[in-house]
Parts: sequence; C-alpha cells; structure tokens
Amino acid sequence: RKEVEQDPGPFNVPEGATVAFNCTYSNSASQSFFWYRQDCRKEPKLLMSVYSSGNEDGRFTAQLNRASQYISLLIRDSKLSDSATYLCVVQNTGFQKLVFGTGTRLLVSP
Amino acid sequence: DTGVSQNPRHKITKRGQNVTFRCDPISEHNRLYWYRQTLGQGPEFLTYFQNEAQLEKSRLLSDRFSAERPKGSFSTLEIQRTEQGDSAMYLCASSPPEAFFGQGTRLTVV
Repeated sequence: RKEVEQDPGPFNVPEGATVAFNCTYSNSASQSFFWYRQDCRKEPKLLMSVYSSGNEDGRFTAQLNRASQYISLLIRDSKLSDSATYLCVVQNTGFQKLVFGTGTRLLVSP
Repeated sequence: DTGVSQNPRHKITKRGQNVTFRCDPISEHNRLYWYRQTLGQGPEFLTYFQNEAQLEKSRLLSDRFSAERPKGSFSTLEIQRTEQGDSAMYLCASSPPEAFFGQGTRLTVV
C-alpha cells in the first residue's frame, strides 16, 4: 500500500464548478500535511498547509480527518487557471521527509 | 520566485557518464531535500539533510547516487555511470517546515 494515495483523475469540470479531492495516508504518526499545486513541467508550489481545525484561503478549503487518515481540498468557483495537478503531501514526526502522492489532475474548461 | 536555485536546468548526457547537480537553498533554511520525478508521478524522495548532516537516504537509491551538503548551505547530487532509467526531473527543496522547490534539473540520458 502506498503511504499517500490520491485519485489521479483527471477531474474535468466547467468554470464556476466546485470540486473536491481526497487523499488518504497510511502512517498514523504523520504530523504535518500540505497541498501543493504543480503545473505541467514546472516545480511543485505550496498551495496551503492543512491544519487540524481546517483552514480556508479564498476559494480553497483544506480539511484534515485524523481518525480516518485523510485530507481534502475543496475548490469553489473553479477558474481556468486552476487547471493543474494537485499533490497531497504528508510529513511524519520530527519534520522528516515529505511524502508525496501521485497527484490529482484537474482540468477546468470554459 | 521561491529562492531555491538549481543548476543546470537541463542536462543531456550519454549513458555511463557521471553528472553532478547543484542546489542553493533559501539561506535561512536548514533542511534540504532531493526528489526525483518522472512523468505522471509525484516527486519521489531521494535524500534529506538537516544542516550538513544527511539524515535519511531512500532505499530505492543505488550506490551510484551520492549527495553532499558540506557546509550546510548548498548541496550537490552526483549520479555515477548514468543509465537511461535515470532520466527524470531532479528537484531540490528547502524548508522548515513547508518545503519550497527549485525549478529542477531535467536529466536526459541518451
């Protein structure tokens, strides 16, 4: 079983739609969680950290469910510019290595 | 601009040659990571430094790979006797704890 699992997609949505991605992780000792965005042939860029209480940044909302060991990312009012791959990232205790999922591809169409 | 600099951006080499990549992290970041990414996959962990100490190295790495961070600042990743399977994007990131990536070095082994 992979340490971090994501649905690879692609998720095809029209502009203005709301879309949600889930990610599950296997290590219950995981301590820190992040969502990264990666455009084609570019480096990953930090989208947001995920806090236990959930957090929101504009159209983006991230939530953590430690009991079920999953994190989610919700994107409201999708824009064409949101088209990218969204990577779920988990970090274990002691701020050790970051473990990436394979990413979920989002395609927003006009 | 994330502040992490990687050189070269692109490298084409013949099979069997040695290559070395350099990463200059954000100056106040003491953690530095190397990842490898191939098309359609998330970044795969290679190794991790805290200051000059190499704390973890992926078991997936063969002995042909070596990394150093001699003064706790820049880091180098060397691949000896390159193989076609080494063709990938090599990403460097620095943190704490959110990781910021450089633009990567794209290696093509012919």
